[in-house]
Amino acid sequence: NAGVTQTPKFQVLKTGQSMTLQCAQDMNHNSMYWYRQDPGMGLRLIYYSASEGTTDKGEVPNGYNVSRLNKREFSLRLESAAPSQTSVYFCASVTHYEQYFGPGTRLTVT
Amino acid sequence: KNEVEQSPQNLTAQEGEFITINCSYSVGISALHWLQQHPGGGIVSLFMLSSGKKKHGRLIATINIQEKHSSLHITASHPRDSAVYICAVTNTGNQFYFGTGTSLTVIP
Repeated sequence: NAGVTQTPKFQVLKTGQSMTLQCAQDMNHNSMYWYRQDPGMGLRLIYYSASEGTTDKGEVPNGYNVSRLNKREFSLRLESAAPSQTSVYFCASVTHYEQYFGPGTRLTVT
Repeated sequence: KNEVEQSPQNLTAQEGEFITINCSYSVGISALHWLQQHPGGGIVSLFMLSSGKKKHGRLIATINIQEKHSSLHITASHPRDSAVYICAVTNTGNQFYFGTGTSLTVIP
């Protein structure tokens, strides 16, 4: 039982490059969330998925897309990375108001 | 405007001291969470509470719904308690709001 896993752990991109952050959970939860965490700011919700096949925008969705591939997996895609997207990204699996976080992906865009 | 405000932002304590971190919120909530984040590490849920008080080891969390305030207490603090402590709330629409965190350093 791995909980919530994220790949990669670290990534450096050049401006304009694209990439997908992967997240998977093995707790059979319906809801999954993507957050970004920046210095001096709280976690901010990018996108969330309340159930398989549904996704909704959070507080800061611009520049991102998501896919809820199945109940286990929820991916976050940056189509054209910008330096403002340099951040630490956390995926969370959510149930009954409890959140279980992945280890995070540290992304740097140069 | 932040829905969740924490104080202090930074806290340094000597080992063994009693520590209090405060959290105030401005939205109606169904639950309040205390999270712990170690340097370079992931985020772990410490408590979820909607009323009263919860205790786990040396950690105690309290909430006053009428005053929209919660406190996290650490008794007999230890250097391994050094981390960022984050307060978060779930509103009645199941949305999460996060405070900016309190960075705690416990000196041996």
